[in-house]
Amino acid sequence: DVKVTQSSRYLVKRTGEKVFLECVQDMDHENMFWYRQDPGLGLRLIYFSYDVKMKEKGDIPEGYSVSREKKERFSLILESASTNQTSMYLCASRLLGTGSRFNYEQYFGPGTRLTVT
Amino acid sequence: GNSVTQMEGPVTLSEEAFLTINCTYTATGYPSLFWYVQYPGEGLQLLLKATKADDKGSNKGFEATYRKETTSFHLEKGSVQVSDSAVYFCALPTGLGSSNTGKLIFGQGTTLQVKP
Repeated sequence: DVKVTQSSRYLVKRTGEKVFLECVQDMDHENMFWYRQDPGLGLRLIYFSYDVKMKEKGDIPEGYSVSREKKERFSLILESASTNQTSMYLCASRLLGTGSRFNYEQYFGPGTRLTVT
Repeated sequence: GNSVTQMEGPVTLSEEAFLTINCTYTATGYPSLFWYVQYPGEGLQLLLKATKADDKGSNKGFEATYRKETTSFHLEKGSVQVSDSAVYFCALPTGLGSSNTGKLIFGQGTTLQVKP
């Protein structure tokens, strides 16, 4: 079974702090994603990584950055946390298939509920 | 790009009731369609999928049929249980270069609460 783990289930930080959210997958997946989930808004993509050291902005990248130095690990960084970044953060990974084996299925971690006070 | 519209919740049902959660989409071509489920305190997990028109995806008693005529992928279950209480998300590829990225777009989610 694919396993995606996130470093914390719950996190409380103060406004202005630098926050690191870590995600690790154990199935050698090329693609990794960071989403935030808010009531009434569903999932919104923050950043996406094609592979090691490769990243692309998603729909709401402002206030966030990412790092992918190793294939299994994808970190989301809040440079200076603000109260409007209070949310549930979900990490996902995907195995890149090709041709007839092309695959869209994403595997999710349990989420980190971040509160910024 | 593609888009998805999902019925708003919450949906509250009694145990053993019939469930339908509506999902409609707009897309270029015939992309794969997905239903994900999020149980309380957990991340999303794939519930079922259909990869081409007229396919029926099924899992854990849930079913959804890919209907290209109505551009719909409604989720159904004949008899829900309390353990089905969760948030359900309809999803499909973004259609914007998604063949290279595998990006998905998700509906807003429908909360299902099943009462004993």
